[in-house]
Amino acid sequence: GAGVSQSPRYKVTKRGQDVALRCDPISGHVSLYWYRQALGQGPEFLTYFNYEAQQDKSGLPNDRFSAERPEGSISTLTIQRTEQRDSAMYRCASSYAGAGEQYFGPGTRLTVT
Amino acid sequence: GNSVTQMEGPVTLSEEAFLTINCTYTATGYPSLFWYVQYPGEGLQLLLKATKADDKGSNKGFEATYRKETTSFHLEKGSVQVSDSAVYFCARGVQGDYKLSFGAGTTVTVRA
Repeated sequence: GAGVSQSPRYKVTKRGQDVALRCDPISGHVSLYWYRQALGQGPEFLTYFNYEAQQDKSGLPNDRFSAERPEGSISTLTIQRTEQRDSAMYRCASSYAGAGEQYFGPGTRLTVT
Repeated sequence: GNSVTQMEGPVTLSEEAFLTINCTYTATGYPSLFWYVQYPGEGLQLLLKATKADDKGSNKGFEATYRKETTSFHLEKGSVQVSDSAVYFCARGVQGDYKLSFGAGTTVTVRA
């Protein structure tokens, strides 16, 4: 079946613009996760949803970052007033249930110029 | 800070060589441990996992044993192939394992 999909795959934006990154999890997966990966580093946890409820947002770096999953399926990670330091690969993962195996999408590479 | 430390790369090997990638973790409780792999141009895939002490995870000829006494989860393969060239990430579960904490990744290149 279809895996986790993310769009866009690449996004170049100017500093100060808002961006929205989309994640479409595997059908039937209850839990959805967002991670950020800087070049040469491992992914770092941002936030996590069970169904539509955001269970943990402790990894969001500041209040310019927000995420939603209004119908318990597709999720959007929004970064407002982007800064160059926001440039990274943003990865989404889903699992059948919390603490289950996480399946990762291909990621969105964000570049802020 | 990061609670997973893995061997720095890059690692370059010849085909059929033995591969070891060291991974240690800081422990509160008994987290699940994972190895993820990222092949060129692809996303992260779970390679293997272990959920309790002394468990051995294995897949595609790779093995790793959960060592509580040394807080380690080293990845090994006895005879690597060119197709094993990838970036390997060690990870531990956090707070009930729904959150993963990753190491920095080790790039492995296998030459024919």
